[in-house]
Amino acid sequence: SQTIHQWPATLVQPVGSPLSLECTVEGTSNPNLYWYRQAAGRGLQLLFYSVGIGQISSEVPQNLSASRPQDRQFILSSKKLLLSDSGFYLCAWTPGDYGYTFGSGTRLTVV
Amino acid sequence: GDSVTQMEGPVTLSEEAFLTINCTYTATGYPSLFWYVQYPGEGLQLLLKATKADDKGSNKGFEATYRKETTSFHLEKGSVQVSDSAVYFCALSRRDSSYKLIFGSGTRLLVRP
Repeated sequence: SQTIHQWPATLVQPVGSPLSLECTVEGTSNPNLYWYRQAAGRGLQLLFYSVGIGQISSEVPQNLSASRPQDRQFILSSKKLLLSDSGFYLCAWTPGDYGYTFGSGTRLTVV
Repeated sequence: GDSVTQMEGPVTLSEEAFLTINCTYTATGYPSLFWYVQYPGEGLQLLLKATKADDKGSNKGFEATYRKETTSFHLEKGSVQVSDSAVYFCALSRRDSSYKLIFGSGTRLLVRP
């Protein structure tokens, strides 16, 4: 069966510290992968997407970066977190159609 | 670029009232349109979708019709329940845009008994 794993579920990090959030998909190959962020009281903003290994497209220039080192692995990173990076981060995938599956999310609080 | 505009919330209704949440979009080509729902403390769930003009998506008593002439996809329900209290997101996606889901800002619905 097809599943998506996202971790950690909750993270509290100090300003200036690095960040690494991981998302993995099982049961499929060559998925389209997406990172979204939901700031408090705001909508879902698309941050990055990838249609293949090593292919990353950025939607919003900011303090974050993404990488796809393996077919079913999508990593969101930052070298130095800002307070404004706080939010709820969601990973999602689609096999190349309109059937989206979302991860359970990571709630990041930068203090 | 593509965008989705939703009505501001919160929308507060009494149980059994009629619900409309407005959604309009801007996109090139022919997007597919979606409504997602996020219940308190839970993840995103697909509520309904429509892939071409004049299609009507429906689920759990909710309906939305893809209106190309008005670029709209308004969500309606004839009689809301307290359990419908949640945040509702309108979204669009295009095949020729790597199937990126572009979301509106979300509308919080509060239904009072």
